[in-house]
Amino acid sequence: ELKVEQNPLFLSMQEGKNYTIYCNYSTTSDRLYWYRQDPGKSLESLFVLLSNGAVKQEGRLMASLDTKARLSTLHITAAVHDLSATYFCAVDMSQGGSEKLVFGKGTKLTVNP
Amino acid sequence: NAGVTQTPKFQVLKTGQSMTLQCAQDMNHEYMSWYRQDPGMGLRLIHYSVGAGITDQGEVPNGYNVSRSTTEDFPLRLLSAAPSQTSVYFCASRAFGLGYGYTFGSGTRLTVV
Repeated sequence: ELKVEQNPLFLSMQEGKNYTIYCNYSTTSDRLYWYRQDPGKSLESLFVLLSNGAVKQEGRLMASLDTKARLSTLHITAAVHDLSATYFCAVDMSQGGSEKLVFGKGTKLTVNP
Repeated sequence: NAGVTQTPKFQVLKTGQSMTLQCAQDMNHEYMSWYRQDPGMGLRLIHYSVGAGITDQGEVPNGYNVSRSTTEDFPLRLLSAAPSQTSVYFCASRAFGLGYGYTFGSGTRLTVV
C-alpha cells in the first residue's frame, strides 16, 4: 500500500524567510504533483514532476523530485503573505490501466508579516 | 471553456437518503476521478474512470456508485447516505498522456444529518 507523508503538517514562517516542505512516498513512482489549496477553495495545480531529477520553478516556489530516494521537495524562497495556503503533494500510482493519485495530508503554511 | 463543473455546491441530506453529485468537464479529458476531503486526511480516491464505459474503485469506494456513459459526465451516487459521508467531494479530470496534471472542480460540501 502506498503511503505519502508530508512534513511538516503545519508551518508558520516570517515573510522573507526560506523553507522546504518534504514529501516522502513508500513505493516506486516517477510522477508526482504539487497542489495549492486556499481555505474553502478547490485545488490549484502548481507542478507536475515526471522523472528523476526533475526540477520546476514558478515564482518563489521550486519543486524537485528524487525517485531513487522517493522524495520530493517544495522550496519556498523569500516567503510572502500571499503564499499562505495548504500545499499537497500527490503521487501518481497509475499503472496497468488504473488512474490513482495518493495524496499527502497537506502542509498548512502561514506566512506572517 | 468551463473546465470541471460540479453541482450542487452545498447539500444537506438526512441519513438514508440517496442523491447524485454531478460532474461535467468540457475539455474532452479521458480520465476522471472522485475524491473526498476530510479534515487532516488529505484527499482520498473514491472511484475513477479511464474512459467512457470504464470505471474502477479507489481507496474508499463503499457506499458510492459511479458510471461513465459519456466522456463529459461522471456522476457520483450516494446510495444510502450516512453521517460518515459528510465531507467535501472533488471531481477531477485530466487528459491522456504524461505531463498532464489534474484539473479539479470547485467541490461539493455535503452534510449528512
